[in-house]
Amino acid sequence: DVKVTQSSRYLVKRTGEKVFLECVQDMDHENMFWYRQDPGLGLRLIYFSYDVKMKEKGDIPEGYSVSREKKERFSLILESASTNQTSMYLCASSIWVSVLKDTQYFGPGTRLTVL
Amino acid sequence: GNSVTQMEGPVTLSEEAFLTINCTYTATGYPSLFWYVQYPGEGLQLLLKATKADDKGSNKGFEATYRKETTSFHLEKGSVQVSDSAVYFCALSDLGPHDMRFGAGTRLTVKP
Repeated sequence: DVKVTQSSRYLVKRTGEKVFLECVQDMDHENMFWYRQDPGLGLRLIYFSYDVKMKEKGDIPEGYSVSREKKERFSLILESASTNQTSMYLCASSIWVSVLKDTQYFGPGTRLTVL
Repeated sequence: GNSVTQMEGPVTLSEEAFLTINCTYTATGYPSLFWYVQYPGEGLQLLLKATKADDKGSNKGFEATYRKETTSFHLEKGSVQVSDSAVYFCALSDLGPHDMRFGAGTRLTVKP
C-alpha cells in the first residue's frame, strides 16, 4: 500500500512565524501535491511537483513556497504565517503516467492554526 | 475551466437507508472521475473511480456510473451503515495529474 505521511497532525503557530510542513511518500511516486482544505471550498491546489527540484504553482500559491530536494519528500513553507492561512493542509502523491489520469494518494493532513 | 458540483450537505440518514449523493461535472476533455472519502480526523482515501463513459466504479457497496450524456457521476449505496459516516468528495482529472478538481464535499451522518 502507498503510504504518505505528514510531519504533524496539529500545529499552532503565531502570526509572522515561518512554518514548515513536511510530507514523505514511500512509493517512489514522481508527482507530489500540496492542497488546503476549507469548509465549503473542497480542496484547492497550492503547489505541485513533477520531479526533484521541480515545482509548479497551483491555484492559490500566494504566501506559500515549496521545496523538493529528494524524490520522496515535499515540503510546504509559509514564509510569514497569517491568520487566513489557518486551514487543513493535505499532501498527496501519484505516479507519472502521461496519458492516464491516475489516482492521488493522500496523507492524513496537518491542521494548522495561526494565532 | 473544469469543475465539479456536488450536492450540498449535510446528509443525515438512518442505518440501512439508501444513499445518493449527486455529482455533476464540467470538462473540456475526457476526464477520469473519482469519489474520495474522508473519515473524521483523516486524509482522503480513494473510494472508487471510472475512467471512461459508461464505466461503473464500485467499492465497499458504493457504486457510481460515469454518465457522459448527463455529465454526472452520482454516488449510491443500497444500505448505509454507521461506519459510512464521513465526508465524500467527487473529483475529476482531465489535463493531467495536476488538474484534479474537487467538489466542496458532502458530509454524511448515519444514525443507528
